[in-house]
Amino acid sequence: KQEVTQIPAALSVPEGENLVLNCSFTDSAIYNLQWFRQDPGKGLTSLLLIQSSQREQTSGRLNASLDKSSGRSTLYIAASQPGDSATYLCAVFLQGAQKLVFGQGTRLTINP
Amino acid sequence: DGGITQSPKYLFRKEGQNVTLSCEQNLNHDAMYWYRQDPGQGLRLIYYSQIVNDFQKGDIAEGYSVSREKKESFPLTVTSAQKNPTAFYLCASSIDRAGPLGYTFGSGTRLTVV
Repeated sequence: KQEVTQIPAALSVPEGENLVLNCSFTDSAIYNLQWFRQDPGKGLTSLLLIQSSQREQTSGRLNASLDKSSGRSTLYIAASQPGDSATYLCAVFLQGAQKLVFGQGTRLTINP
Repeated sequence: DGGITQSPKYLFRKEGQNVTLSCEQNLNHDAMYWYRQDPGQGLRLIYYSQIVNDFQKGDIAEGYSVSREKKESFPLTVTSAQKNPTAFYLCASSIDRAGPLGYTFGSGTRLTVV
């Protein structure tokens, strides 16, 4: 059974710091991996999608990497801002089961 | 703008009552999904549909029902058989089941039993 784990569960840092959020998965037979942002009481906003053949994707201050062999992905946020405060979720799409499996998220707080 | 619209934003259900959550998309996506989100448990798949008039159970389908009569619409009914329906419900869609552009989510419906 595919398990997706995100560490840490919560993170609080001062504004301006660069930070890394981690996501690990147990089954490397994935089709793609997607990072989402969720604000309190809101839906999910897609941040980055990495296909299984790719190593990384970048969007603005965000960079996501994927290492299938080790079952890991990282989301790097540069020059963090208070507006980055949210819960960040990673999800992998399984080739076999044909479904998206989510981690439980990292709750990020950026302090002014 | 293309997207997914979920309504209502908040819904209250009395014991023994069926309620229906609406999900509409104008992205021309083939596949649609319903997820349930509970604190500390992440998102769990309830039902999904790849094409019109076809749908499949997800991991926690008991007490729920769906229909897919139109490509744009995928309503979810929470029946009285669902004993713990209080949760945040999210609808999503993708171009296909392994969509290269990933999944798009709606803004959610919060259901509370009163």
